[in-house]
Amino acid sequence: DIQMTQSPSTLSASVGDRVTITCRASQSISIWLAWYQQKPGRAPKLLIYKASSLESGVPSRFSGSGSGTEFTLTISSLQPDDFATYYCQQYNSYSRTFGQGTKVEIK
Amino acid sequence: QVQLQESGPGLVKPSGTLSLTCAVSGGSISSTNWWSWVRQPPGKGLEWIGEIYHSGITNYNPSLKSRVTISVDTSKNQFSLKLDSVTAADTAVYYCARDRETVSYFDYWGQGTLVTVSS
Repeated sequence: DIQMTQSPSTLSASVGDRVTITCRASQSISIWLAWYQQKPGRAPKLLIYKASSLESGVPSRFSGSGSGTEFTLTISSLQPDDFATYYCQQYNSYSRTFGQGTKVEIK
Repeated sequence: QVQLQESGPGLVKPSGTLSLTCAVSGGSISSTNWWSWVRQPPGKGLEWIGEIYHSGITNYNPSLKSRVTISVDTSKNQFSLKLDSVTAADTAVYYCARDRETVSYFDYWGQGTLVTVSS
């Protein structure tokens, strides 16, 4: 299986901050990476696919970049609704795997 | 708008079989999409369990393959999960989800259902 490692595990930030989350793959996955947002008690919500493509309806303050083994999710100006846990997911192989998650907390 | 809804027992005894069904509405399960199960133990991350195409072709997570069966009922527009020989480690919220494309990411999710393995 391809292992996905996110950093940091927890991030404390304030409204208006620029936030960056990193996801590293144990082997090259080209651009086959998605990002999700999950709030407590809710299902994950797709934000980004193909490393940098913004899902329809997702605010433009979210952006993704990277290829190969290193990827980033950036929130350009953190909003109150963005405090949540974020997961990356690779789909380079049929056995899909997720990162362990990054919790974005209020500072 | 595609909607998915999980259903099934919330409590399963150790060594028993976990059985869940996902009803799909607002779209056909016979479309070109694949349909997956994903689980999340309390307070932990997400784990992909497996997927099925409307023809019955399946792919499973190698770590669960020996215990998992996913099936589809196109007449009822639903698909199902069976997990055998469960232990407390299988306690999780189980989600069904739609793969946007073959071997891809998940664009629609059910609300999830908590299954607890306990005697």
